[in-house]
Amino acid sequence: AQSVTQLDSQVPVFEEAPVELRCNYSSSVSVYLFWYVQYPNQGLQLLLKYLSGSTLVKGINGFEAEFNKSQTSFHLRKPSVHISDTAEYFCAVSDRGRDDKIIFGKGTRLHILP
Amino acid sequence: EADIYQTPRYLVIGTGKKITLECSQTMGHDKMYWYQQDPGMELHLIHYSYGVNSTEKGDLSSESTVSRIRTEHFPLTLESARPSHTSQYLCASSEYSRQGYEQYFGPGTRLTVT
Repeated sequence: AQSVTQLDSQVPVFEEAPVELRCNYSSSVSVYLFWYVQYPNQGLQLLLKYLSGSTLVKGINGFEAEFNKSQTSFHLRKPSVHISDTAEYFCAVSDRGRDDKIIFGKGTRLHILP
Repeated sequence: EADIYQTPRYLVIGTGKKITLECSQTMGHDKMYWYQQDPGMELHLIHYSYGVNSTEKGDLSSESTVSRIRTEHFPLTLESARPSHTSQYLCASSEYSRQGYEQYFGPGTRLTVT
């Protein structure tokens, strides 16, 4: 069965510092990987997704993630965070070709410190 | 830009009341989903639909029911609300294509049962 582990429930980081949010997954088949962001009192918005091809995926708002098949990881990074990046970030995985079964992690709350 | 709407955004209701949470999308997607989200926890799929007159239960058991009479509309009903139903409910839709897919989320309904 698929599962997603987000290793940090909360990550505090100073404004303009770099950040990495960690995500590991387990699956016995080829996967699609996603990062979603949830701002306070809103639904989830897609940041980026890995379907195939280049393992470095660039998303919106300056975020990027790298798919590492050997380590079954899909860590999210941003070189310089802003106060507006304060949100909950969810990593998710689905079987290749199955858009009806996405498994989400528990989320990582990103706190931006002034 | 996702065009998926949920009403109400917030609802406080007493135990035993019947409630319906509305979800509509204007993208013509066949697949729609309901997730339950509690603080600090992953999203749990409670219902999904592959199209009109199709409904299935998700991974998390729920006392709610859903219907899909029209493509664009996927309401969720609780016949008799209880405090254990207090949670955030997120609706989503998706469509698979050669470019891949993503699930588009509504803003959510935060339900409090007193």
